[in-house]
Amino acid sequence: DIQMTQSPSSLSASVGDRVTITCRASQSISSYLNWYQQKPGKAPKLLIYAASSLQSGVPSRFSGSGSGTDFTLTISSLQPEDFATYYCQQSYSTLGAFGGGTKVEIK
Amino acid sequence: EVQLVESGGGLVQPGGSLRLSCAASGFTFSSYSMNWVRQAPGKGLEWVSYISSSSSTIYYADSVKGRFTISRDNAKNSLYLQMNSLRDEDTAVYYCARTFPGEVGDYFDYWGQGTLVTVSS
Repeated sequence: DIQMTQSPSSLSASVGDRVTITCRASQSISSYLNWYQQKPGKAPKLLIYAASSLQSGVPSRFSGSGSGTDFTLTISSLQPEDFATYYCQQSYSTLGAFGGGTKVEIK
Repeated sequence: EVQLVESGGGLVQPGGSLRLSCAASGFTFSSYSMNWVRQAPGKGLEWVSYISSSSSTIYYADSVKGRFTISRDNAKNSLYLQMNSLRDEDTAVYYCARTFPGEVGDYFDYWGQGTLVTVSS
């Protein structure tokens, strides 16, 4: 099975900061990588699919990059509503494993 | 508007059974594969099970294989998860999620609000 590892597991940042979250796959998954945002008590929300495609309605400050085993989610200028937990997910195999999550907290 | 509404969660003793339902609306349910994803308290997301649009293909996570059964009724626009031999570690919020067949891999584009399953004596 493909394992997904995110880093860091948590980070503290200020409004306006540029934030980068990394996701590594245990084997090459080409661009079969999705990113989700989850706020406390809410269902996850799709942000990015196919490594770099922005889901409709998602602000352009979110971007994704990478291919193979290493991927990045970037928030160009952190906004108050972006404080949440972010998960990557591989879609290379049907067993769509998620990364462990990265919690973005207010500094 | 796409809506997924889970129900059926609750408190159950270890070894017991529970059946979750997910009612879908706002899209052609029979055209989409569906999934169950769970989240234990304070933990991350764990994919649980997948069912194709026609029920011809089904997958389970190793952690639930042999204990859980996914099914669907396209005439009723409903997805189900029959959970047997429940364990403490099955305690979680269970979400249903729609699979969108992308050009480069699938993704979960719509999620329900979740239903809490608590396994405890």
